[in-house]
Amino acid sequence: NAGVTQTPKFQVLKTGQSMTLQCAQDMNHNSMYWYRQDPGMGLRLIYYSASEGTTDKGEVPNGYNVSRLNKREFSLRLESAAPSQTSVYFCASSEQGAYPDTQYFGPGTRLTVL
Amino acid sequence: AQSVAQPEDQVNVAEGNPLTVKCTYSVSGNPYLFWYVQYPNRGLQFLLKYITGDNLVKGSYGFEAEFNKSQTSFHLKKPSALVSDSALYFCAVSPKNYGQNFVFGPGTRLSVLP
Repeated sequence: NAGVTQTPKFQVLKTGQSMTLQCAQDMNHNSMYWYRQDPGMGLRLIYYSASEGTTDKGEVPNGYNVSRLNKREFSLRLESAAPSQTSVYFCASSEQGAYPDTQYFGPGTRLTVL
Repeated sequence: AQSVAQPEDQVNVAEGNPLTVKCTYSVSGNPYLFWYVQYPNRGLQFLLKYITGDNLVKGSYGFEAEFNKSQTSFHLKKPSALVSDSALYFCAVSPKNYGQNFVFGPGTRLSVLP
């Protein structure tokens, strides 16, 4: 039981390049999330997927797109990377219940955009 | 708008002494409150949560937190700190009727000195 896995762990991009961050969970959770973590700002929600087949914008969606490929996988795509997207990206998942539930986080992807 | 404040960027405490990491929140309605811990180069790990009921919540690794509705606070405490408790701590709130989404505080870095 690996929990939430993310690939890659590290990535360096040049401005304008594109890439996709991959996330998978093996806990049979319905909901999945993408956050970015910047110093002094905590975690900010980029996009989330409440259930398979649905995605919604979070607090900071500009410059990103997501795909909920199936119940297990939720990917984050940067179409044209900018230096402002240099950050640590975390994927998380949770069961979707009647009230907000514990989110389980992956180990993160450290992205640098030059 | 929902918000979470962690008024201290850094908390230093000697090993064996009690520790407190502060969290206050602003949310409409009844909140659901969480504490997470992040060790260096790792994802966030769940510590404890308050949903309803007893205002004192006990969690992992000997941590506890007290929900105070009148002061809109949810401070994290531990009676006797360990050096291994040194990490970054995040408070998060999920307002009722806000789906599964959290608002995270900026984080407090705890250093436990031997």
